[in-house]
Amino acid sequence: AAGVIQSPRHLIKEKRETATLKCYPIPRHDTVYWYQQGPGQDPQFLISFYEKMQSDKGSIPDRFSAQQFSDYHSELNMSSLELGDSALYFCASSGRDRVSYEQYFGPGTRLTVT
Amino acid sequence: AQTVTQSQPEMSVQEAETVTLSCTYDTSESDYYLFWYKQPPSRQMILVIRQEAYKQQNATENRFSVNFQKAAKSFSLKISDSQLGDAAMYFCAYRSSNNDYKLSFGAGTTVTVRA
Repeated sequence: AAGVIQSPRHLIKEKRETATLKCYPIPRHDTVYWYQQGPGQDPQFLISFYEKMQSDKGSIPDRFSAQQFSDYHSELNMSSLELGDSALYFCASSGRDRVSYEQYFGPGTRLTVT
Repeated sequence: AQTVTQSQPEMSVQEAETVTLSCTYDTSESDYYLFWYKQPPSRQMILVIRQEAYKQQNATENRFSVNFQKAAKSFSLKISDSQLGDAAMYFCAYRSSNNDYKLSFGAGTTVTVRA
């Protein structure tokens, strides 16, 4: 079965640079979630999109922005990167019918800021 | 805001034995979902089991079962017949049944399986 695809899997950036993370949800899933997991921490919700509209917002820095496109893929844009942004970034997708409420996670993008 | 608490940072279990991971949560809602996710060294987040709050019957998935105590706001995970492949970080997570569908995670419990 198709899974959530995230690219790139690994990314190394320097401070003050920008990064773009991409997420391709499971086919027919219309909701995308972004989570950030710092070293030794639990995942923290950043932002979500439903039908290309932002549906919820968590502790996402103003330096970060995201959007969902017409094909339902999503991109997380991160600017003025800081050392503290080094983390594993997960994308998850879900459908909206009651049976499909589970969020299926992608493999994550490991961002290292040096 | 919902708070999920996992009070056991680490648990160790002998292969083929049983281990129980605890999770408590705080909510004012009556309908919600609870999950246990497994995160092995690969860091992939894998759904282990799900429980709907409106269901009184405890969920079971093969060797994994939960003890859901709604009044006590407790949601423990029991792993029976532990296998080496069960070694991982386990996260308890809460999700509202309203428009707020984000997952709120506990701090996680690292499970070590001894051969």
